[in-house]
Amino acid sequence: QVQLLQSGAEVKKPGASVKVSCKASGYTFTAYYIHWVRQAPGQGLEWMGWITPNSGGTNYAQSFQGRVTLTTDTSISTAYMELSRLTSDDTAIYYCAKTRGVVPWEPFDYWAQGTLVTVSS
Amino acid sequence: EIVLTQSPATLSVSPGERATLSCRASRTVRNDLAWYQHKPGQAPRLLIYGASTRATGIPARFSGSGSGTEFTLTISSLQSEDFAVYFCQQYNNWPPLTFGGGTKVEIK
Repeated sequence: QVQLLQSGAEVKKPGASVKVSCKASGYTFTAYYIHWVRQAPGQGLEWMGWITPNSGGTNYAQSFQGRVTLTTDTSISTAYMELSRLTSDDTAIYYCAKTRGVVPWEPFDYWAQGTLVTVSS
Repeated sequence: EIVLTQSPATLSVSPGERATLSCRASRTVRNDLAWYQHKPGQAPRLLIYGASTRATGIPARFSGSGSGTEFTLTISSLQSEDFAVYFCQQYNNWPPLTFGGGTKVEIK
């Protein structure tokens, strides 16, 4: 069965970077896009960007341009989201999700359980 | 950016009753609208895509309707496991992909 498993909770200081992993299993990792979404406390969901594991191509939300880097390691079916120059506003649960179809503009049929990133001095 | 507005923010419903949730888009998304269920500490679950197509394994009590800017998710007879937050997502006009603010369905 399809599973996306993220790395554990992180606590970071302002100005630091965080890298969250998302290990996929149960499907052909290179065939579908991986999106990253976050939810800050009391807020709605915010899309951060997508990556195609097949080529490493990415598309980032403008609000994260220059601060977020999405990568994959196809040898271990794992996607990564690195966010730099963290502030307290980046405190949120971060999710990875795969597209239902083979194009990026598809809904997400599987999500991971989320990773809480807390930014605090 | 397309803004999705969900209403109501909270819906109090008794088990066995019908729940009707709304999602309004700031401009047309055709039928490129999905609904998800989200329970605390769990991964969100895709319920409906293409505005009205149930995802694999989703019970028939969940149905979606609408197109353009007005969409509805109906849960025909609420079961105990259906109490959760529901949010909509548009994937027609991006970047960015956008989500609604969510509707919490709670036990009355």
